Parts: sequence; C-alpha cells; structure tokens
Amino acid sequence: GQNIDQPTEMTATEGAIVQINCTYQTSGFNGLFWYQQHAGEAPTFLSYNVLDGLEEKGRFSSFLSRSKGYSYLLLKELQMKDSASYLCAVRRGNTDKLIFGTGTRLQVFP
Amino acid sequence: GAVVSQHPSWVICKSGTSVKIECRSLDFQATTMFWYRQFPKQSLMLMATSNEGSKATYEQGVEKDKFLINHASLTLSTLTVTSAHPEDSSFYICSAAWDSVEQYFGPGTRLTVT
Repeated sequence: GQNIDQPTEMTATEGAIVQINCTYQTSGFNGLFWYQQHAGEAPTFLSYNVLDGLEEKGRFSSFLSRSKGYSYLLLKELQMKDSASYLCAVRRGNTDKLIFGTGTRLQVFP
Repeated sequence: GAVVSQHPSWVICKSGTSVKIECRSLDFQATTMFWYRQFPKQSLMLMATSNEGSKATYEQGVEKDKFLINHASLTLSTLTVTSAHPEDSSFYICSAAWDSVEQYFGPGTRLTVT
C-alpha cells in the first residue's frame, strides 16, 4: 500500500530554522517532491529529490534517504510569509502519478 | 512559463445538477493532466489521470460515471461532476505535465453543492 506521513502541525519563530519530516512507504519510487500551499491556493513547487542527499535552493533545502524512506524539508531564516502547508509527494514507479502526504501546517510567529 | 489555468475559480450549484470544470495549459502542451480533490485541512487526493485522446485512468474508489473527464486536446482537460451532491463539495485542482519531472498546478476550483 501507500503511506506517506508528515507531522500535522508545527510552529516556529520568525528568523528561526524549521525541519519538516516526511516518511514514506510506497509501491515503487521515482522521486520525492515538496510543495508549498497557502490556504485556498494551488500547491507551488519547492524541491525535487530522486537521489540520496541534500538539495539546496536558497532558504529551502530538501534531503532524501531512499533506504530509510525518509525526507525532510529545511526552511531557514523563517519569514511570516512561510506560514503555509507543506506537502510531501512521492512519484510512483514508472508513472507520473504523485501520491501526497497528509501535509504539515506551519505557523510562523513574530 | 508553465502556467495552468482553471475555470471557474469557484462555483455553487444545486444538488442533482452537473458542473463542468476546465483545466488549460496556457503556454505548453500537456501530454498528461491530473485531477485532484482536496477536502478542508486535508491533503490532495489524486482522482484520475488523463492523456490527450484516450480514456482517463481513475484511482481506486473514484466513480468514473460520476466524475467524467475529457482530454480533448493537448491544452484542455475538463472534469464534469454529474448529479452533484453536498458531499462532492470540495476544492478541485488540476495539474499538467509534459515530458518533464514536474507537474504544474492550476489555481483550483472551489465547488459548493447546496
């Protein structure tokens, strides 16, 4: 079966660093995505990992360990506008289908 | 580049009627389009995958006769919710992809069935 888990909610302070974890068990793996979604809006692409290791893109970094079925999204120098839901999604096998995790609602406080 | 639009952005309809939602890729040709549904405070659930000119592939538990998908061209896919009921009220999001890794998401359509 498919199972992708994330913490439901997290809080952090402006300027701080936060790590959002994602664990997955899927039938077939062909990459992991992180998306940001503000309430009532469509998800926007943040990062993509297909090989083990860390991908850094500005304030956001994403890490993947395929053997552990584990990924995290690291957000540095948090800003108020980073308050949003963060969705982890796994691409299945030889398809383009994305299976989304439960999503993590992050609230950034001043 | 890679802009996807949806129309309408929100719709209210009466129970028993049908509603059509359009998804367009504005600046690229999408070989594949996906339809998702998202209930409040929940994540996106894939409903179906559609390829231009062929029948859509529905995920388990999604009624193909209730959610009609047509992918008539490389830039347009439509989702018709037939005989809508209040439990169909949700946020419907499409995405489009060509031969790249990334899916590009539309802004979503909020459907409310009264």
